[in-house]
Amino acid sequence: EAQVTQNPRYLITVTGKKLTVTCSQNMNHEYMSWYRQDPGLGLRQIYYSMNVEVTDKGDVPEGYKVSRKEKRNFPLILESPSPNQTSLYFCASSLRGGSSGANVLTFGAGSRLTVL
Amino acid sequence: SQKIEQNSEALNIQEGKTATLTCNYTNYSPAYLQWYRQDPGRGPVFLLLIRENEKEKRKERLKVTFDTTLKQSLFHITASQPADSATYLCALDLRNQGGKLIFGQGTELSVKP
Repeated sequence: EAQVTQNPRYLITVTGKKLTVTCSQNMNHEYMSWYRQDPGLGLRQIYYSMNVEVTDKGDVPEGYKVSRKEKRNFPLILESPSPNQTSLYFCASSLRGGSSGANVLTFGAGSRLTVL
Repeated sequence: SQKIEQNSEALNIQEGKTATLTCNYTNYSPAYLQWYRQDPGRGPVFLLLIRENEKEKRKERLKVTFDTTLKQSLFHITASQPADSATYLCALDLRNQGGKLIFGQGTELSVKP
């Protein structure tokens, strides 16, 4: 089944304890992106990657790191999590420039992170 | 400033009626406008998109219109069913910005039997 898989789905951690949220897609998509979703603020882009070894900042990159060493994986790293990073995180991927030229995203199921 | 706004209130309608959701934006020039559905606890799922030079697009019971002069898209669900209850997100697909999508906050639709 074509999908984007995120892990963990739920995580409670404490301030300053490094964590990684993994994201993997099995659709051979070139484009991958991380979003966070907060009440009243909607989905905001954290980082994106157009291809392997190519990453760029989105609208809210502070406090996050990413890497794209392989096409299928795009982990999100919180080096020193803080309570304001408590949120629902989504990884998404796309063919990028498919037949329509639009960037149609396939989302993962989400990772709910709580930082105490 | 740049903004994208959807119906701020939740939308409650009776089964069988047409639901109409609104997406307005300012100071953007999207190449496409996309609509997604999001169920509680799940990721958004793509429904359909419309190009900047298209006025209307249909897919089964769904219809989207796009007016680049008014900077508005309308999303219609005809013959609505309780299974259509979800949050619907519009997204601006910007040109020349690394494939960036700008999402609205979403409109929660509830269809009562």
